[in-house]
Amino acid sequence: GEDVEQSLFLSVREGDSSVINCTYTDSSSTYLYWYKQEPGAGLQLLTYIFSNMDMKQDQRLTVLLNKKDKHLSLRIADTQTGDSAIYFCAERDSARQLTFGSGTQLTVLP
Amino acid sequence: DAMVIQNPRYQVTQFGKPVTLSCSQTLNHNVMYWYQQKSSQAPKLLFHYYDKDFNNEADTPDNFQSRRPNTSFCFLDIRSPGLGDAAMYLCATSAISRSSTQYFGPGTRLTVL
Repeated sequence: GEDVEQSLFLSVREGDSSVINCTYTDSSSTYLYWYKQEPGAGLQLLTYIFSNMDMKQDQRLTVLLNKKDKHLSLRIADTQTGDSAIYFCAERDSARQLTFGSGTQLTVLP
Repeated sequence: DAMVIQNPRYQVTQFGKPVTLSCSQTLNHNVMYWYQQKSSQAPKLLFHYYDKDFNNEADTPDNFQSRRPNTSFCFLDIRSPGLGDAAMYLCATSAISRSSTQYFGPGTRLTVL
C-alpha cells in the first residue's frame, strides 16, 4: 500500500527558513498536499502541487517535487512563531483518497 | 466565514453511552469524509460519502456508523464508545474536481470517561 514518511521534529530560529521533507511510495500519485495543524485544531490546507510540476511558490511557501525520487519538500521563508505547528504531507491516490504522513512538529525558537 | 463546521468542538461521553458528532458544510461539495486522529498520529479515514453513496474503510469498526441526510450535513455515530475511541474526529469535504482538494473542519475532541 501507499506509504508517506516525514521526520517527526524540526526546530528553527525565528527569521530563518524551514524545510520540511516528505517521501512517498505511490508513483501514481497525481496531487500532493501540505496541511498545517495547530494544537487542538483541524487541518488547514496550505498548498498543493500537481505531479507534473517541479515547483510551486505561494508567498512565503515553496513546494519542491522530485517525482523521480518521490520526494516532496515545503520551504517556509522567514519563519515566524505563528508557524509553529504540525505539518502533514499527503498524497492523493487513484481512488482520490488521501494518505497522510505522520506529521512534522515545527518549533520556532525566538 | 466557516465552510466546514463541526459541533460540538468538545464532547464528553461515558463508556458505552452512544454519542453523535455533527458536521455541516457551506461549500456544496459532493464528498464528505470522517477521520479519526489520535494524539501525535496522522488522521485515519473512517468512511466517506460520495453524494449519498456510503464508502466504509475495511478496518473501520462496526461501532462507528454515519448518516448523511442531505448534501450539507453528515453525522458520525459511535454506538458504544470505548476508552480507545477517545480522539479528535475530523470532518472534511471535497468537490469532484481535478484536484479534489479536501477541506477540513476544526474537529471535535471526544473524551470517553
